[in-house]
Amino acid sequence: EAQVTQNPRYLITVTGKKLTVTCSQNMNHEYMSWYRQDPGLGLRQIYYSMNVEVTDKGDVPEGYKVSRKEKRNFPLILESPSPNQTSLYFCASCRQGGEKLFFGSGTQLSVL
Amino acid sequence: AQSVTQLDSQVPVFEEAPVELRCNYSSSVSVYLFWYVQYPNQGLQLLLKYLSGSTLVKGINGFEAEFNKSQTSFHLRKPSVHISDTAEYFCAVSWGDYKLSFGAGTTVTVRA
Repeated sequence: EAQVTQNPRYLITVTGKKLTVTCSQNMNHEYMSWYRQDPGLGLRQIYYSMNVEVTDKGDVPEGYKVSRKEKRNFPLILESPSPNQTSLYFCASCRQGGEKLFFGSGTQLSVL
Repeated sequence: AQSVTQLDSQVPVFEEAPVELRCNYSSSVSVYLFWYVQYPNQGLQLLLKYLSGSTLVKGINGFEAEFNKSQTSFHLRKPSVHISDTAEYFCAVSWGDYKLSFGAGTTVTVRA
């Protein structure tokens, strides 16, 4: 089954404790992206990657890091999480620009 | 700067009534346009997209949208809604360089 898998689904952590949210897709997609969803703001793009070892900032990259060492994986790293990063995070992928995005089920992160 | 505006944050509607969700964008270049739907506790799913060609686009679940270049709009419509259409709807615009921007979302609540 074609899918984008995010883990974990829920995460509660404390300020400053490094964390990683994993994202994996099994569709051989070149493009992957991370979004955060906040009430009244919709989805905002954090980082995206057009291919292995190619990443670029989205609209809200501050406080986040990503890597794309393999085509299927695109982890999101918070080196020192802060409460303003409490949000619902989605990973998505597609074959190329203009194509349908496939979304993961989301990761609800709470930073205390 | 490019932007996406969804003009209604909440749209209550009775079952079997029509619904229109409004989306406007600003851009000086050609765009791809999308509508996504998010059911409770799920990721986003593509409803329909406009890349080029006919300005009236038909999507899944009886939804359609019309691209109006002069008004820079991409409004979503359904002639008769069901309870199961209760969800949040997002308009999204891509400027072809893999940067995808979403509107703030419109919550549709269908009442019997």
